[in-house]
Amino acid sequence: KNQVEQSPQSLIILEGKNCTLQCNYTVSPFSNLRWYKQDTGRGPVSLTIMTFSENTKSNGRYTATLDADTKQSSLHITASQLSDSASYICVVSAGREYGNKLVFGAGTILRVKS
Amino acid sequence: GAGVSQSPSNKVTEKGKDVELRCDPISGHTALYWYRQSLGQGLEFLIYFQGNSAPDKSGLPSDRFSAERTGGSVSTLTIQRTQQEDSAVYLCASSTQTGRSTEAFFGQGTRLTVV
Repeated sequence: KNQVEQSPQSLIILEGKNCTLQCNYTVSPFSNLRWYKQDTGRGPVSLTIMTFSENTKSNGRYTATLDADTKQSSLHITASQLSDSASYICVVSAGREYGNKLVFGAGTILRVKS
Repeated sequence: GAGVSQSPSNKVTEKGKDVELRCDPISGHTALYWYRQSLGQGLEFLIYFQGNSAPDKSGLPSDRFSAERTGGSVSTLTIQRTQQEDSAVYLCASSTQTGRSTEAFFGQGTRLTVV
């Protein structure tokens, strides 16, 4: 069964600290993996996309990693800011054999405190 | 419009009433997903439409929930005899599902409150 599991479910950190969010998936075959950020009251917006051949990709203070062998991805946030408080959702695209269906994780709720 | 549009943005309804939530996907997007988020909880899959294929309804929590997608475009999620536990934000997403750069575009959601 194609699944995406995220951990932790929620996280509270102090402003300025770093944190890492995890995403494990069983989706196979795999096409790509995206991390989305969902601000309160808004729809999720794509932060970064990882394809099979990519190991690391950065977007400002956000760095995503991918290990396609172990089917794990992480999103590292450096020097967190209050505006990073949001839900972070991992979405994996299955291969063409599955019509490139998107499989969504439940998300990690991050709260950054001052 | 250029993005996914959901309506209404907010809906307050009395317990036992029926509600309809609407999603206008991005033109040309063949795939459409409905999810919901209860307060402080993660995304919960409801239903998935892809082109003319039979929808994946495996996430619908009860037979009070149904959804349709007319003409491969607009989708309506219907909740009959609403209950308080149905209160949540209902999110719709659409995508082209063309392969390596597949991206889901989300609407702003409909916040449903059942009183």
